[in-house]
Amino acid sequence: DAEITQSPRHKITETGRQVTLACHQTWNHNNMFWYRQDLGHGLRLIHYSYGVHDTNKGEVSDGYSVSRSNTEDLPLTLESAASSQTSVYFCASSEGTGHRGNTIYFGEGSWLTVV
Amino acid sequence: GESVGLHLPTLSVQEGDNSIINCAYSNSASDYFIWYKQESGKGPQFIIDIRSNMDKRQGQRVTVLLNKTVKHLSLQIAATQPGDSAVYFCAETSYNNNDMRFGAGTRLTVKP
Repeated sequence: DAEITQSPRHKITETGRQVTLACHQTWNHNNMFWYRQDLGHGLRLIHYSYGVHDTNKGEVSDGYSVSRSNTEDLPLTLESAASSQTSVYFCASSEGTGHRGNTIYFGEGSWLTVV
Repeated sequence: GESVGLHLPTLSVQEGDNSIINCAYSNSASDYFIWYKQESGKGPQFIIDIRSNMDKRQGQRVTVLLNKTVKHLSLQIAATQPGDSAVYFCAETSYNNNDMRFGAGTRLTVKP
């Protein structure tokens, strides 16, 4: 079955280190997204991509970057991890163009702790 | 500003009872709504969706109702089971706003 996978599922890192969270989907979806989920805030969009070589900033993009070199992968990089980036990160994907009327399917999450 | 919110943060029901989870939205241009279920330690899972040209849609044991007049969305779960215990969120998007926004979630607990 097609799926979306994230790795690592759990990571502890130190302040100032660069961290990359991987996301791989086998649905051949055009759109991919990264969200963070924090208590009291729900899901907040970090970055998204509507196709290869396309990337866009979301609501909370500061301190994060993404790249889209192929359809299947959208790695999320924290350039210099900060304690405020301790969170659960969800990768997601959808068919079609944009969020417009397209169901978003989520990965299982990556728990990141910055100490 | 525009927002998507939930009326109740927690809901506790008896196994076998029906559950109703509510969601309010304020963007009158929203035209597509989704309910997600998130179990502990897992990612949100799609349950059911509805477009603004409908006011009701049924799935297996779940029904979504949309009242555009009062900008209200609800998820009804029939014969709630212990496996239904989770956080439920609504999400909304609109054609002219290339964005999807999520509510904070309601935690449903099913008592045996």
